[in-house]
Amino acid sequence: DGGITQSPKYLFRKEGQNVTLSCEQNLNHDAMYWYRQDPGQGLRLIYYSQIVNDFQKGDIAEGYSVSREKKESFPLTVTSAQKNPTAFYLCASSIDPWPDRDGGYTFGSGTRLTVV
Amino acid sequence: AQSVTQPDIHITVSEGASLELRCNYSYGATPYLFWYVQSPGQGLQLLLKYFSGDTLVQGIKGFEAEFKRSQSSFNLRKPSVHWSDAAEYFCAVAPMMGGGADGLTFGKGTHLIIQP
Repeated sequence: DGGITQSPKYLFRKEGQNVTLSCEQNLNHDAMYWYRQDPGQGLRLIYYSQIVNDFQKGDIAEGYSVSREKKESFPLTVTSAQKNPTAFYLCASSIDPWPDRDGGYTFGSGTRLTVV
Repeated sequence: AQSVTQPDIHITVSEGASLELRCNYSYGATPYLFWYVQSPGQGLQLLLKYFSGDTLVQGIKGFEAEFKRSQSSFNLRKPSVHWSDAAEYFCAVAPMMGGGADGLTFGKGTHLIIQP
């Protein structure tokens, strides 16, 4: 079945360390997105990519970096510059930059990052 | 920039009772509108969407939503809730011009509690 796979589901990081969250999709979607979710804050956009080798900053990109070397993959690196990285991170994709007519965005099941 | 307001942080409903979750958006034109549901520790699942046409849209799991342009609202309804409907519900928008190129804008969510 097609879908988005995020790994790992739980991740612990020591302060000062960089960590990379994986997001892989086999839906042949062009666009991919990273959101951060905090309690009572909804989802906030970190980065998005509409095409391979191109990506754009979202609303809260500081302290994060991404790459899009393959259509299927959009990893997110949480750097030591991110002051408050503990959160739930969600990856999403869509068939192209427009919400597709069948389902809008498809989401992964998320990675919960905790800084210890 | 567009924004989404979900006025109710928590809603408690008895099993079998009707449900209405409120969503208001702020945008200069009619956007694409979505409702998503999230179970604890999981990703988001699309319930329904509005792109154009009939202002009453049907979704999965017995949910429906009505777009009211005059009120800038897109409220979610269900005639009879089940205990399995307990979850977090998010309203989201994307501008029709550019679609979801910049990512969806989400409300902060409404936590639905079902009483037996």
